[in-house]
Amino acid sequence: QITLKESGPTVVKPTQTLTLTCTFSGFSLTTSGVGVSWIRQPPGKALEWLALIYWDDDKLYSPSLKSRLTISKDTSKNQVVLTMTNMDPVDTATYYCARRGRPIRLGYGFVFDYWGQGALVTVSA
Amino acid sequence: IVLTQSPDTLSLSPGESATLSCRASQSGGSSYIAWYQQKAGQAPRLLIYAASNRATGIPDRFSGSGSGTDFTLTISRLEPEDFAVYHCQHYSPSAWTFGQGTKVEIK
Repeated sequence: QITLKESGPTVVKPTQTLTLTCTFSGFSLTTSGVGVSWIRQPPGKALEWLALIYWDDDKLYSPSLKSRLTISKDTSKNQVVLTMTNMDPVDTATYYCARRGRPIRLGYGFVFDYWGQGALVTVSA
Repeated sequence: IVLTQSPDTLSLSPGESATLSCRASQSGGSSYIAWYQQKAGQAPRLLIYAASNRATGIPDRFSGSGSGTDFTLTISRLEPEDFAVYHCQHYSPSAWTFGQGTKVEIK
């Protein structure tokens, strides 16, 4: 059974750095083709992809947020960590981690097949 | 690539069919299009990948189609549990984008 769960602060102040941890089970980030991503959703708004880390430690970032994001992994703990600097109230959102589908079928490597429950982060003074 | 979904809201009755549209600002290939269902307070759930393939466990009343820049999610015979928000998603080299979502609500 594959599960992912996000953890981190529920409230951060403007200009602070947010650190979120995704703890997963049921798969390994050492397996070829595996990736874990962060995606956020402001209240009532669209989903926004943030970053992804692959099994081989390759990393991808949203071009619009790249300067503020860092994604890393700890394979021994089955965790992926996202840091976002210089937080602003517009960054208030539910932050999800999700597993990128393994590319075992055409197109399946371009989706997110398992998601965590999400963590609401509010940016407020 | 920018994804535009229409309509923003679809008001239908159980048993009716729903047709949701997702238009991409440029052609990126149907292999890169997916659809997700999101119920209130829940994470998105993968429905369709590569434009027309149902994910594991997805009922056959959900179907996807399209090519080029225009893609469609069709839900035939809406069940009460199908009333939710639906998101389309596109992958282009090194990045993913989502549409703004279409809410399917009970009329």
